[in-house]
Amino acid sequence: EDQVTQSPEALRLQEGESSSLNCSYTVSGLRGLFWYRQDPGKGPEFLFTLYSAGEEKEKERLKATLTKKESFLHITAPKPEDSATYLCAASGGYNKLIFGAGTRLAVHP
Amino acid sequence: DTAVSQTPKYLVTQMGNDKSIKCEQNLGHDTMYWYKQDSKKFLKIMFSYNNKELIINETVPNRFSPKSPDKAHLNLHINSLELGDSAVYFCASSLGTDTKNIQYFGAGTRLSVL
Repeated sequence: EDQVTQSPEALRLQEGESSSLNCSYTVSGLRGLFWYRQDPGKGPEFLFTLYSAGEEKEKERLKATLTKKESFLHITAPKPEDSATYLCAASGGYNKLIFGAGTRLAVHP
Repeated sequence: DTAVSQTPKYLVTQMGNDKSIKCEQNLGHDTMYWYKQDSKKFLKIMFSYNNKELIINETVPNRFSPKSPDKAHLNLHINSLELGDSAVYFCASSLGTDTKNIQYFGAGTRLSVL
C-alpha cells in the first residue's frame, strides 16, 4: 500500500537554529514528491515539487531534497514566521496526492 | 479574489441530516478535488474530477456524492451524516491531471456532526 511517513511529528526550534524534516515514502511509480505548508485554519500552500532522486529546490530559508526513499526539508536559520505544519505528499499518477501526517514546526524568538 | 473558495467555512449539524459543501475556482483549471482532513491531521483524497468527469473515487461511503455542474465548480453532498464524518473538508484544483500541475487548496470547511 502506498504510504508517506513524516518525522518528527513536532519540532521546536529557537530562531536561527537550523534543522531538517524527514519524509519517507513507499509509492509505486512515484511521479512527484510535494511539500506544502499549512497554517492554522487555512488550506495547504504549495512549496516545492521534486521529480527525481538527487533533485534539490530552494526557496528563501527552505531547501528540499529527494532520494529514492525519502525527502528532506532543510530549514536554515528559521524565523518565527516559519512556524507552521509542513506536509509532504507523493503522487503515483492522476495527480493523486498521498499525504503524510505533517510536522508541526514552532520557531521561538 | 480568492482562487479556490469553499462555502460554508463552518457547518454544525445533527446526525442523520443531509448537507452540501460548495467549491468554486476562478483559476480556469480543468481538475478539481475533495480531500478530508481528520482529527489526526491526515489529508486524504476522496474524489477528483477532470472536465466534469470523475477520475478518482477513493473508498468513500456512498453517502458522499460529488457533483460537478461545470469545470469551475465541484460540490460535495453528504447524506445521513454520522459522527465520524466530522472533519475539515478541503477542495483543491489544478490545471490538469499531470503531476506537474500544482494543486491549489481552498481554506477548508469544518464540519461538526453532533
